[in-house]
Amino acid sequence: DADVTQTPRNRITKTGKRIMLECSQTKGHDRMYWYRQDPGLGLRLIYYSFDVKDINKGEISDGYSVSRQAQAKFSLSLESAIPNQTALYFCATSELTSGTDTQYFGPGTRLTVL
Amino acid sequence: AQSVTQLGSHVSVSEGALVLLRCNYSSSVPPYLFWYVQYPNQGLQLLLKYTTGATLVKGINGFEAEFKKSETSFHLTKPSAHMSDAAEYFCAVTQNRDDKIIFGKGTRLHILP
Repeated sequence: DADVTQTPRNRITKTGKRIMLECSQTKGHDRMYWYRQDPGLGLRLIYYSFDVKDINKGEISDGYSVSRQAQAKFSLSLESAIPNQTALYFCATSELTSGTDTQYFGPGTRLTVL
Repeated sequence: AQSVTQLGSHVSVSEGALVLLRCNYSSSVPPYLFWYVQYPNQGLQLLLKYTTGATLVKGINGFEAEFKKSETSFHLTKPSAHMSDAAEYFCAVTQNRDDKIIFGKGTRLHILP
């Protein structure tokens, strides 16, 4: 079984709809992240959480919110989806090894907003 | 502020030829540096990382990278390309254990038969 899972894997929705993307991990890591990937732009950090009571905005948090329901679960919500939020979304977890984080990524959720 | 620049959004090499993917970083303190690989329809996975110590770092699948402080570079190499190396490669940097990791924009590697 995969250590970091994301649901759904693909989603098509309409402008204005509320969408939730879910991430679960079995690695036992405290740190979790949400990124979006757009062609030619690499990965950009949306939100991150260093433990259940810690939520931090990333580079591009506008239009998104998150919930850390438990150590193993970190959800990303789009309250009112818009077409420029069409992207590939990745969840990641990390642990501290050799003095710094090593990140482990889920398989991604491809979101299309029409 | 830290940043990463990857030279070349697409690189093509022949099977069996040397692979060289370039990465330059900007950091006000000694950085931690990473290379991640993304195969089609998959998430990213760690290839290798530099934290401290030996500046030549060996990773999985025959890849290695050398940290050159004077050149602020962390280029990724592999002596002989294989078709299975076709993927997108991301260089990343962070400054310390509590900092976010900043990713470059990626380089897509194409392997020519």
